[in-house]
Amino acid sequence: NAGVMQNPRHLVRRRGQEARLRCSPMKGHSHVYWYRQLPEEGLKFMVYLQKENIIDESGMPKERFSAEFPKEGPSILRIQQVVRGDSAAYFCASSPGRGQTEAFFGQGTRLTVV
Amino acid sequence: QKEVEQNSGPLSVPEGAIASLNCTYSDRVSQSFFWYRQYSGKSPELIMSIYSNGDKEDGRFTAQLNKASQYVSLLIRDSQPSDSATYLCAVIRVNTGKLIFGQGTTLQVKP
Repeated sequence: NAGVMQNPRHLVRRRGQEARLRCSPMKGHSHVYWYRQLPEEGLKFMVYLQKENIIDESGMPKERFSAEFPKEGPSILRIQQVVRGDSAAYFCASSPGRGQTEAFFGQGTRLTVV
Repeated sequence: QKEVEQNSGPLSVPEGAIASLNCTYSDRVSQSFFWYRQYSGKSPELIMSIYSNGDKEDGRFTAQLNKASQYVSLLIRDSQPSDSATYLCAVIRVNTGKLIFGQGTTLQVKP
């Protein structure tokens, strides 16, 4: 049973370009979380999705950031017009449902904006 | 007030000692509690989950939950240098299912 898969593992973008980060949840998992982590800092919640539904996006910046989790395919975190401050590690985690369920993390995508 | 608070450390213990990591949370209706371990440059790894008051043991790890005091802890017995990592406390908010993390406590186990 494959774990949570994120790709790419490393992504380099020039300022102003778009970054697309993908997260395929574990088999049987229908919920996905996205987090951002800066060096030496904690995990900052961004968004919580169920297939075809955004449950909580209270941690998403109002501009340039969007997330989706379609019925088929991976969850996508999209960052438009990237700036240097977007450079960070982005992690996704998946769980089978809400509430008393354990979430498991992917390996993360390290985004570098040059 | 942060939703989940941890002492950032570093917490330094000698090899073979008990390491005690603490966490408090602000939302009284939080329902699920987790401890993750994160090595430098790696992704978080789930160690323990606990849902009801009391202790839960798994090998060298014991999680303790006190909902009245809004407090959860992790004890690591017979600490090893390989336990040196950042330990993240996380809670799920019952109304949305949102999984929120503390800042993490860095543990150093000295040989």
